[in-house]
Parts: sequence; C-alpha cells; structure tokens
Amino acid sequence: ETGVTQSPTHLIKTRGQQVTLRCSSQSGHNTVSWYQQALGQGPQFIFQYYREEENGRGNFPPRFSGLQFPNYSSELNVNALELDDSALYLCASSSGLNTGELFFGEGSRLTVL
Amino acid sequence: AQSVTQLDSHVSVSEGTPVLLRCNYSSSYSPSLFWYVQHPNKGLQLLLKYTSAATLVKGINGFEAEFKKSETSFHLTKPSAHMSDAAEYFCVVSDLPGNTGKLIFGQGTTLQVKP
Repeated sequence: ETGVTQSPTHLIKTRGQQVTLRCSSQSGHNTVSWYQQALGQGPQFIFQYYREEENGRGNFPPRFSGLQFPNYSSELNVNALELDDSALYLCASSSGLNTGELFFGEGSRLTVL
Repeated sequence: AQSVTQLDSHVSVSEGTPVLLRCNYSSSYSPSLFWYVQHPNKGLQLLLKYTSAATLVKGINGFEAEFKKSETSFHLTKPSAHMSDAAEYFCVVSDLPGNTGKLIFGQGTTLQVKP
C-alpha cells in the first residue's frame, strides 16, 4: 500500500507566476484535502475534494484552485503568486469524509521571490 | 466557530521524564479532537483521536490524552520521554461535525528532549 505522494518536493517561483502542485492519494482513498503551512505556523485548510467535487473551502482567494481526477489524485493551482504564498503545501487523503484520520504527504515547499 | 489554543510554544524535558503538552479547545458542538506529530522533513502523523467515546484516549508510541469537557482541555501526556519524541506537536479540532477532513490546527508545540 503506497502512501500519499506529492510533487514537486521543492520549487522556486517569482511573483506573478503560476504553480501547479500534485498529489497522489493513498490507495482506496476518495477524499483529498489541501493545507498551507507557513513557517512556524500550524497548517491551514485550503479546500477539500470528495469524489471529484469540491467539498468546502477555507479562507483562501479564488486564485487558489484545484482539481480531483477519476483516480482521486489531485492538483492545487495557484495563480498570480504573491510573496506570502511561500509555504509548505500539504496534501492529505482519507477513505471518506468522517473517518477520523487523515494521511498526509510530506509536502511541497514553495518559495516565491 | 471551532478553535484550539496550544498553551506552550516550546516544551523541554529530559529523557525518561514525563511529557505534558497543553491544549484548550472551543467548539459550538461536541468536538472531534486530535493530536498530530510532525517530525522534521516528514509528513504529519496522527497520534490519537477523540470522537466522543472514552474520554481517556490512548495513541501510538505511549502517548495518551484526556478529554475534559468542564475544562475544555485535551492535554497530551506521556509517562517517559524518548529522544525520538522530539518533534512538533499539533492539537487539532474538526471544523464541521461529520467531516474530519476539514481540520483546524493549533500553532504547534515544539518538544525538545534532552539526553
């Protein structure tokens, strides 16, 4: 059983650029949640996908968008990057909405210059 | 609205001594509460969870936590610290009933374990 994998692990972008982060959920999991973790802070909920539909969103602007594919993998897209978008982006999967446990990947560390 | 407050940003203990990491919560309904651990350059891992069953919850690696509704607390304890316990610990509450994928994290407590 493979765990949650994220790519790329590190990337550097400049202000105004766009970025796509990818996540492969754990086998058998149909729910993916994305979190942003700024340095020295706890993760903040961005949005959740359940069976390919967005199922809730945190306090993030529309330039943060996502997708979930039929195989339940997911993408996080961020447009018009700002310096404050520099953070660790975490993907977590679960086998449903109320399983009581999320399985996290190791994250994609984004630096915006 | 749901929230958690971790009362210590940094805790330092000696190896073999007890660990106490403090967390208070606020919730408008009966909460689901969790403790997650984050080792350097590793993903977050669930230590334990409270979902309205027994108030004393046992987790992995000898950790446990007690849900106290009267004190709105969910403190994490371990009788004897090990060097491998050094990490960042997050107290977490579920944002919505019936959906434990939408989580609200505390600011984190860094646990240092001295030899």
